[in-house]
Amino acid sequence: QVQLQESGPGLVKPSETLSLTCSVSGASISSYYWSWIRQPPGKGLEWIGYIHFSGSTTYNPSIKSRLIISLDRSKNQFSLKLTSVTAADTAVYYCARVPPYSYGYYFDYWGQGALVTVSS
Amino acid sequence: QSVLTQPPSVSGAPGQRVTISCTGSSSNIGAGYDVHWYQQLPGTAPKLLIYGNSNRPSGVPDRFSDSKSGTSASLAISGLEAEDEADYYCQSYDSSLSGMVFGGGTKLTVL
Repeated sequence: QVQLQESGPGLVKPSETLSLTCSVSGASISSYYWSWIRQPPGKGLEWIGYIHFSGSTTYNPSIKSRLIISLDRSKNQFSLKLTSVTAADTAVYYCARVPPYSYGYYFDYWGQGALVTVSS
Repeated sequence: QSVLTQPPSVSGAPGQRVTISCTGSSSNIGAGYDVHWYQQLPGTAPKLLIYGNSNRPSGVPDRFSDSKSGTSASLAISGLEAEDEADYYCQSYDSSLSGMVFGGGTKLTVL
């Protein structure tokens, strides 16, 4: 049974860095792609970016300049760092697995989500 | 503004059939990338409902089906049940963005 669990601070001050970690069980981080998605309160889903097990990354152009996604193979985790946050970054952040697929990627397993509020 | 366009809401009575549309463009659905669908029950994470060419993960009933034509796709739910009341999202891959894109979501109300 594949399970993902987000963890990190629930409150971040404006202009600071948002950091989240996704712990994966039931699957090796050294396979598949791994992704972050966010959902502002009462709004829809926004893909943030993904990382391949090789370490290569692809980010949403809208936040690419502020984003770093990385892997920690020893802990079977991957992480998100979003710098210079504003209130617009307040959202539930989900981590998800991306299986290999030839006609466009999708997300087969999701974490339960972590609410991050940006406020002073 | 989402790259994929969905109606904000649809509704239907128990037992009826409803469809949710998802309209994209030549850089995503029209480019041949598949459309995938997710169900998000209130207060929970999205769950994969249909992926690829009408594939359903284990446990998803065959009341859920999808179709695709040109730059659009649709999700059909037949034999509507109260437990189907949720938000539904379509998702595809966009070659101009080199990443995944979502629809804005459709809230299904079971009357």
